[in-house]
Amino acid sequence: SQQGEEDPQALSIQEGENATMNCSYKTSINNLQWYRQNSGRGLVHLILIRSNEREKHSGRLRVTLDTSKKSSSLLITASRAADTASYFCATDETLTGGGNKLTFGTGTQLKVEL
Amino acid sequence: DTGVSQDPRHKITKRGQNVTFRCDPISEHNRLYWYRQTLGQGPEFLTYFQNEAQLEKSRLLSDRFSAERPKGSFSTLEIQRTEQGDSAMYLCASSPNRDGYTFGSGTRLTVV
Repeated sequence: SQQGEEDPQALSIQEGENATMNCSYKTSINNLQWYRQNSGRGLVHLILIRSNEREKHSGRLRVTLDTSKKSSSLLITASRAADTASYFCATDETLTGGGNKLTFGTGTQLKVEL
Repeated sequence: DTGVSQDPRHKITKRGQNVTFRCDPISEHNRLYWYRQTLGQGPEFLTYFQNEAQLEKSRLLSDRFSAERPKGSFSTLEIQRTEQGDSAMYLCASSPNRDGYTFGSGTRLTVV
């Protein structure tokens, strides 16, 4: 079952604009991660934010986390055509042996037009 | 090491046939995961290996599915008696810790 839901489902912006994607989840979390997926390809890990963090930056990415609202947002600043992809949030759950199971949302399809 | 490799990239099979996919993780990563992704959805967890031990299996993994990771290196995922509902992208990922996976490019299975 899907843990989270991303909003919007699809987003189309012009190059240079900022893109904001939101994620809501249902249960308590350890960490929340964001991944990008180019069409028909595997997922690429973007950023991890821990439950005791409120904001994190990585290059043009900014992630916020509000555990009281069970929500997170991903902001991509100064978007480029190469940012066109689907973006997923994922919560993780500890597994036996120390691994972690990711539960993904349904994703936001971002299209950045020239 | 160029990342996580999956083979084949695409597989078309007739209903009822068996298929096997292979995943070669990053060599230093002792954790290996299989996920399945259908069109328009996020990936869903199937199973997890720590070295050669399969420590977790999802209820999505019916009796027709089996996964192995002999010697804690590469892994295989076999689907027996394929059904049309098995059509999906099968993703393998590996990690050395809990701070993010490295995914392979996936194997797209089409059952006709």
